[in-house]
Amino acid sequence: DAGVTQSPTHLIKTRGQQVTLRCSPKSGHDTVSWYQQALGQGPQFIFQYYEEEERQRGNFPDRFSGHQFPNYSSELNVNALLLGDSALYLCASSLGHSLDTQYFGPGTRLTVL
Amino acid sequence: KQEVTQIPAALSVPEGENLVLNCSFTDSAIYNLQWFRQDPGKGLTSLLLIQSSQREQTSGRLNASLDKSSGRSTLYIAASQPGDSATYLCAVREDSSYKLIFGSGTRLLVRP
Repeated sequence: DAGVTQSPTHLIKTRGQQVTLRCSPKSGHDTVSWYQQALGQGPQFIFQYYEEEERQRGNFPDRFSGHQFPNYSSELNVNALLLGDSALYLCASSLGHSLDTQYFGPGTRLTVL
Repeated sequence: KQEVTQIPAALSVPEGENLVLNCSFTDSAIYNLQWFRQDPGKGLTSLLLIQSSQREQTSGRLNASLDKSSGRSTLYIAASQPGDSATYLCAVREDSSYKLIFGSGTRLLVRP
C-alpha cells in the first residue's frame, strides 16, 4: 500500500521564478492538504483540496495556488518566488468526510537563491 | 486566534530516562490533538491522536494526555532510547476546520 508520495525531493530556483510541486495521496484517500515548514518551525497550512476544489485556505498570498486532478493527485504552484519561500513543502492526504489523521509525505525541499 | 506552544524547545537526556514533552493551546474549542515525530529533513509520522472527548491515548512506550479545559497536552515517553531522537510536534484541529495548527516542536536527543 503506497503512502503519500511527493516530487521532486529537492529543488533549487532563483528569485522571481515559478515552481510546481507534486503530490500523490495515499491509496484510498481523496483529500490533499499542503503545508510549508520553515527551518526550525512547525508546518503552516497553505490550503486543502477536496473534489478538485480548494476547500480551505491558510494565510498565504495568491502567489500560492493549487490544483487537484480527478485521480486525487495535486500540484502546488508558487509564482514570483521570494527568498522567504525557501522551506520544506509537505503534502498530507486524508479522507474527505473524516476529520481524523492526515498522512504526510516526505516533503519537497525548495531552496530559492 | 489559536496558538500552539511547545516546551521545552530542546531536550537532551541519557538513555533509559522517562520524559515528558509539553504542548499548550490557547483556544479549547478543538476537535482533536495529534502528536507527530519528524526526523531531520523528513516528513511527519503520526504517533497518537486524541479526540476532544478523550483524556489519553497509549501506543507502546508512548502515552499522550489531553486536558482540553486547561489547553494542555503531554507526551510521555517511557524508557527512552537513542532511536527516539527526533523532533516531536503537536498539532490541533479546531472545530469546523480542516487545517492542523502546529507548535514549533521539541527537539529530543537521547544520549547512549
